[in-house]
Amino acid sequence: SQTIHQWPATLVQPVGSPLSLECTVEGTSNPNLYWYRQAAGRGLQLLFYSVGIGQISSEVPQNLSASRPQDRQFILSSKKLLLSDSGFYLCAWGQGNGYTFGSGTRLTVV
Amino acid sequence: GQQLNQSPQSMFIQEGEDVSMNCTSSSIFNTWLWYKQEPGEGPVLLIALYKAGELTSNGRLTAQFGITRKDSFLNISASIPSDVGIYFCAGISNFGNEKLTFGTGTRLTIIP
Repeated sequence: SQTIHQWPATLVQPVGSPLSLECTVEGTSNPNLYWYRQAAGRGLQLLFYSVGIGQISSEVPQNLSASRPQDRQFILSSKKLLLSDSGFYLCAWGQGNGYTFGSGTRLTVV
Repeated sequence: GQQLNQSPQSMFIQEGEDVSMNCTSSSIFNTWLWYKQEPGEGPVLLIALYKAGELTSNGRLTAQFGITRKDSFLNISASIPSDVGIYFCAGISNFGNEKLTFGTGTRLTIIP
């Protein structure tokens, strides 16, 4: 069966520090992968999606970047975090009938 | 870009009551999905709808894909405490392009 792993679960980082969040998928090949951000009490905003290795599409201009070094690995990064980068980050992989989400990473930038 | 308007934003109901929420869009979607998110967790898929007019149930949950393909509703019958959470509608507009557009969410609180 397909599973999606996301880590870490929580992260507190100072402003200006780098960021790396990792997401891996098991049990499927060549998945469509997505990074979403959810501000407190708000809906989900699509940040990046990838249809294959090295293929990244950005939905909104921002301080973050994404990479897909392997088929089932999707990484969200930043060189220098801003306070506004705080939020709940969700990785998801796409299926024909919708998405399966990871358990999320709560990032607090202080 | 596409937007999904979800209402109500929040609901406070008593245990045992029925719940109804809906999503509307200015553009057509080919697939409608309803998710539930509990605190600190990722959203979990509840119901998927693929055809205009389709009515689908999952236990106490019932959802419909509007005939115009621009709206969908979710009903929960006889609510129980574990129904608490945020419910999101989501739509897929293009076959082969699985990007989901999410609604703003409905926060459901159950009063004992």
